Amino acid sequence: DQQVKQNSPSLSVQEGRISILNCDYTNSMFDYFLWYKKYPAEGPTFLISISSIKDKNEDGRFTVFLNKSAKHLSLHIVPSQPGDSAVYFCAAPYGGTSYGKLTFGQGTILTVHP
Amino acid sequence: GAGVSQSPSNKVTEKGKDVELRCDPISGHTALYWYRQRLGQGLEFLIYFQGNSAPDKSGLPSDRFSAERTGESVSTLTIQRTQQEDSAVYLCASSLSLSGNTIYFGEGSWLTVV
Repeated sequence: DQQVKQNSPSLSVQEGRISILNCDYTNSMFDYFLWYKKYPAEGPTFLISISSIKDKNEDGRFTVFLNKSAKHLSLHIVPSQPGDSAVYFCAAPYGGTSYGKLTFGQGTILTVHP
Repeated sequence: GAGVSQSPSNKVTEKGKDVELRCDPISGHTALYWYRQRLGQGLEFLIYFQGNSAPDKSGLPSDRFSAERTGESVSTLTIQRTQQEDSAVYLCASSLSLSGNTIYFGEGSWLTVV
């Protein structure tokens, strides 16, 4: 049962433009969400997070928006840079007290063209 | 070391053989997690350890999978009688505690069962 879904397997944008990566979830009990970035042959690295008490969290070029009524979150990257090309995963903690026990979406491959 | 260290980085094994994958967490991190990523899919939680507490094994896919951790240091994930569907990247992560909301991943161990 996929509780976190990323329905776009890939996204291609031009350098300098906005990248918007989307994520939907089914479990209304989720109260915290994370985005991870993964380069080939490397482990995922934490990018940004948002608590369900907020609807927006910004960190430099990265902003995450949360729409609880739609059970939808999105990651905006502005402006996009070629170095942002990677796989992006959204994730949520589930089942217990650990924030590290995460359920992940399938990932979206972002390609930023120079 | 500075980050989570995993070995081997690559392993090819014959179906039916046992394999052991090793993880060295970041020094001082009390929580340790194992995840699996099969081709084209998101990360799947397998197991986590926190100090001397009983591990959360709820993500282990079958009784062929087991893991141990020595105190708050090294962990070993063992897969017995490997099957082709076990082929995946096995990722280890650690965090300061269960409530630490950032987990740090290693580069993973690529397992191919032929």
